[in-house]
Amino acid sequence: EVQLLESGGGLVQPGGSLRLSCAASRFRFSSHGMSWVRQAPGKGLEWVSGISGSGHITYYADSVKGRFTISRDNSKNMLYLQMNSLRAEDTAVYYCAKLGSGGYRAPSDYWGQGTLVTVSS
Amino acid sequence: EIVMTQSPATLSVSPGERATLSCRASQSVSSNLAWYQQKPGQAPRLLIYGASTRATGNPSRFSGSGSGTEFTLTISSLQSEDFAVYYCQQYNNWPCSFGQGTKLEIK
Repeated sequence: EVQLLESGGGLVQPGGSLRLSCAASRFRFSSHGMSWVRQAPGKGLEWVSGISGSGHITYYADSVKGRFTISRDNSKNMLYLQMNSLRAEDTAVYYCAKLGSGGYRAPSDYWGQGTLVTVSS
Repeated sequence: EIVMTQSPATLSVSPGERATLSCRASQSVSSNLAWYQQKPGQAPRLLIYGASTRATGNPSRFSGSGSGTEFTLTISSLQSEDFAVYYCQQYNNWPCSFGQGTKLEIK
C-alpha cells in the first residue's frame, strides 16, 4: 500500500518560513506527479502546488505564487514545500498527495494524513 | 483558473435513500473530473475519477456521470458510513481546483 508521511508543520510567526516534507514509499516515486493540497480549519480543500514526476514542471495557486516553492528529490523519494513570507491565511492542514497515472492530468489517488501549519504571533 | 461550483452545500437524506450531488465547471474540463469523500479528521479519499470510473475499493453504490462542464455523483442507497463531505476536483488544467464541497448529512 502506498504510504505518504508529511512532516515539518508547526507554529510560525507571520512573515516566517517553514519547509514541509513528504516521505513517499511503496510506489515508483519518480513516475508520478505529486501535489500539495491544504485545508484551513473548518474550510474546504485548496490545491496549492503540483510537480511533475521529473520535477521539471511545477505549478502554483495564485494565492501562494512567489512565496511557496515545490520540489522533489527522486533519489530519496521525498517531496518538499518551502513556504516563505507566511501569512495568517496560510494556516491549514497541508496534505501531500500522489497523482495517478497519466502525467499531470491525473487525480490524487493517495493522500498523506496531513501536517498542521499555524501562522500566528 | 477554472472555478468549480458544487450544489447543494448541504444535503439531508435518510439512510437507504438515493443522494445526487452536482458539480459545475466554469469551462470544459472534458472528463478530467474526480470526486473525493472526506470524513472528520481524515484525509480525503478518491471515489471517482475520469468523471465515471470508480477508484479501487469503492462500493458500486457510488457512481459518477457527466462531461464538459456538468457532473453528478450519485449514491444509490445511503449507508451510515457515507455521511461525509464530498468534493469535486478538475484536473484538466493546472492549477487544479476543487469545489467548495457538499456536506451529506443524515435526515
